[in-house]
Amino acid sequence: AQSVTQLGSHVSVSEGALVLLRCNYSSSVPPYLFWYVQYPNQGLQLLLKYTTGATLVKGINGFEAEFKKSETSFHLTKPSAHMSDAAEYFCAVSTSNFGNEKLTFGTGTRLTIIP
Amino acid sequence: SAVISQKPSRDICQRGTSLTIQCQVDSQVTMMFWYRQQPGQSLTLIATANQGSEATYESGFVIDKFPISRPNLTFSTLTVSNMSPEDSSIYLCSALGGARDTQYFGPGTRLTVL
Repeated sequence: AQSVTQLGSHVSVSEGALVLLRCNYSSSVPPYLFWYVQYPNQGLQLLLKYTTGATLVKGINGFEAEFKKSETSFHLTKPSAHMSDAAEYFCAVSTSNFGNEKLTFGTGTRLTIIP
Repeated sequence: SAVISQKPSRDICQRGTSLTIQCQVDSQVTMMFWYRQQPGQSLTLIATANQGSEATYESGFVIDKFPISRPNLTFSTLTVSNMSPEDSSIYLCSALGGARDTQYFGPGTRLTVL
């Protein structure tokens, strides 16, 4: 079984400030980890993913995340927030097990950018 | 990556009626999924759409309420049957990319049931 916990359903940061969205996971097998973004009235867009290899992964729009196995975390960061980053962010986990590729999502974090 | 389209993008329906949502992928994919996102909530997996056979439903979802078809490797439909206001949600289709490690999502269908 697998699960995801996102700490903070709402996060507000000032424009230009650091963005940090927290995600912790639970998985009985090596996980695949994802961050998706959902802009208002739109579907989900893949921001970045970790499957294997380098634990620091870079995604679109200047976001990055680090897989920390010892902490079972996959926090999302961006050095400098932009107004266009305002959206809902979802962390998700799946596994490499054949036949178990379905995603389990966290509850989401709504990011607000303060001008 | 896979590019996914859904039709309709939104609809307003009357209680007791049914709506069929279409999902089209621009390339052949191994697996397709249907999710529901209720207002202000995260995504919940409804079922895995299996090509040429019955879909695999998650706990709490049944075929009579959410019949799914997948006649080929690029197309699937989800029907929301005998709708009630509680079915008002965004329904999203996704497809597993060629490397079987990443799901790509369609834009969603926003359903309102009156």
